[in-house]
Amino acid sequence: KQEVTQIPAALSVPEGENLVLNCSFTDSAIYNLQWFRQDPGKGLTSLLLIQSSQREQTSGRLNASLDKSSGRSTLYIAASQPGDSATYLCAVESGANSKLTFGKGITLSVRP
Amino acid sequence: NAGVTQTPKFQVLKTGQSMTLQCAQDMNHEYMSWYRQDPGMGLRLIHYSVGAGITDQGEVPNGYNVSRSTTEDFPLRLLSAAPSQTSVYFCASTTGTSGSDTQYFGPGTRLTVL
Repeated sequence: KQEVTQIPAALSVPEGENLVLNCSFTDSAIYNLQWFRQDPGKGLTSLLLIQSSQREQTSGRLNASLDKSSGRSTLYIAASQPGDSATYLCAVESGANSKLTFGKGITLSVRP
Repeated sequence: NAGVTQTPKFQVLKTGQSMTLQCAQDMNHEYMSWYRQDPGMGLRLIHYSVGAGITDQGEVPNGYNVSRSTTEDFPLRLLSAAPSQTSVYFCASTTGTSGSDTQYFGPGTRLTVL
């Protein structure tokens, strides 16, 4: 059974800091890995999707990497801003029928 | 495109009542799914559908029923609500082409069962 872990559960950093959020998964037979952002009381917004054949994806100040063999992904946020404060969820698509397995998320707080 | 829409946004039920959570998407996606999100548990898959007329169980299906009569709609039915079903429910959709397409989530329904 696929398991996804995100540690730590919460992180607080000062504005302007570059930071890395980690995600690990137990079964390397994945189709893709997705990073989502969730603001309090809101739904999930997709940030980046890395297909199993890819090593990384970039969008603006965000860069996500994937190392399938070691079961790890990182989300790099450059020059963090208070508006980046949210919960970041990692999910892997594996098995049949587009099913996602989620980590519990990392709640990020960026202090002004 | 409205994307994925869910109604209602909030609902309070008494134990034993039944209700239907609505989900609709206007992106012509074949694959739709329902998740519940609980503190400390993350999101867990309840039921999913790979197309009209086809549904299957996810990780936590007990107490829930689904059907998919059209591509656009995927309602989730609570047959006899229990306090353990207090949660936030999210509907999601994607094209269903494994590996290449992101999943789009609705804004959620916050359900409290007393």
